[in-house]
Amino acid sequence: DAKTTQPTSMDCAEGRAANLPCNHSTISGNEYVYWYRQIHSQGPQYIIHGLKNNETNEMASLIITEDRKSSTLILPHATLRDTAVYYCIVRVEVKAAGNKLTFGGGTRVLVKP
Amino acid sequence: KAGVTQTPRYLIKTRGQQVTLSCSPISGHRSVSWYQQTPGQGLQFLFEYFSETQRNKGNFPGRFSGRQFSNSRSEMNVSTLELGDSALYLCASAGGTDDTDTQYFGPGTRLTVL
Repeated sequence: DAKTTQPTSMDCAEGRAANLPCNHSTISGNEYVYWYRQIHSQGPQYIIHGLKNNETNEMASLIITEDRKSSTLILPHATLRDTAVYYCIVRVEVKAAGNKLTFGGGTRVLVKP
Repeated sequence: KAGVTQTPRYLIKTRGQQVTLSCSPISGHRSVSWYQQTPGQGLQFLFEYFSETQRNKGNFPGRFSGRQFSNSRSEMNVSTLELGDSALYLCASAGGTDDTDTQYFGPGTRLTVL
């Protein structure tokens, strides 16, 4: 799976949008971008994933650049409960490699009042 | 649907003992993956089981093993425990057949080895 690079930490203000960048410059054509978050000592929570189109769900939006070398997760209105470690993961489609997620260090996001 | 459940949630063992952790996947899911999380190494993939067969394996010693039952429930076993095995062990389930198979994680079992 391609390697990802994320900022170690970032702060954002409650009620504002949080934009979390991720670099995956070696991504291959059959690799998807996944985002998970982990609130302290809980199991990671799935947020969103995409291949090349932008995606939106009730939690967040995922913007993938046209060359697919980077992406941004957007939390539209951050709340204190969004404080967590956010992981950007690139993974091959299941039929090629089964289910395996390779986690990096993630971005520690602190939402401040 | 009920989420992924793991038992026990907390466990204390001593060096040299062995331990078995259990994971019940989301109903209908056939893939179960196990991960280890430590402060030093982060989240690392252990192995994945699909339809009772190991489909994927991470880079862990043979002391770590697992199995999956016909109802998709899975267990992982760690033999001859070492202090470094103290960790949060996470289980994740997925349908197992779609190309974009999303994994959903359980709350984890926190293992402390003394």
